[in-house]
Amino acid sequence: DADVTQTPRNRITKTGKRIMLECSQTKGHDRMYWYRQDPGLGLRLIYYSFDVKDINKGEISDGYSVSRQAQAKFSLSLESAIPNQTALYFCATSDPGLAVNEQFFGPGTRLTVL
Amino acid sequence: GDSVTQMEGPVTLSEEAFLTINCTYTATGYPSLFWYVQYPGEGLQLLLKATKADDKGSNKGFEATYRKETTSFHLEKGSVQVSDSAVYFCALTDSGGSNYKLTFGKGTLLTVNP
Repeated sequence: DADVTQTPRNRITKTGKRIMLECSQTKGHDRMYWYRQDPGLGLRLIYYSFDVKDINKGEISDGYSVSRQAQAKFSLSLESAIPNQTALYFCATSDPGLAVNEQFFGPGTRLTVL
Repeated sequence: GDSVTQMEGPVTLSEEAFLTINCTYTATGYPSLFWYVQYPGEGLQLLLKATKADDKGSNKGFEATYRKETTSFHLEKGSVQVSDSAVYFCALTDSGGSNYKLTFGKGTLLTVNP
């Protein structure tokens, strides 16, 4: 079984709709991250969480919100989706106990906003 | 701030050809360096890493050497296979206060033809 799972894997929605993307992990890591990937732009950090009570904005947080429901679960919400939020979204985890910040990624959610 | 610049793609090679994907970085601290690979339809997987100058990371026939003097971490493979077709991302994490964060390059699409 995958260590980091994301649901749904694909989603098509309309402008103005509220969307939630979910991420679960079985790695036991405290740190979780949400990124978006756009062609030619690499990955950009949306939000990150060091533990259940610690949530921080990344470089592109406008239009997004997150919820860390438990150590293993970290959800990303688009309150009112717009077409330029069409992208591939990745969740990742890391263990702060490691000397190197190696991150482990989920399979991604492809979101299309019409 | 930190940044990663990697070779623009796409790169198209024949099977058994030699591969180099260039990566250079700027960082305020003493970063750790990574190469991640994204196979079609999948999330990112760590390919190799290096944590200090002159370290060589290697995996699956790929190698990269941490060159502090040239701030580079070029990815090489002596003989590529069709199964190596993927997007390759160079990334860094700084050693200082922002060591939670991965900074990615824009990615290089590699296609290997039989």
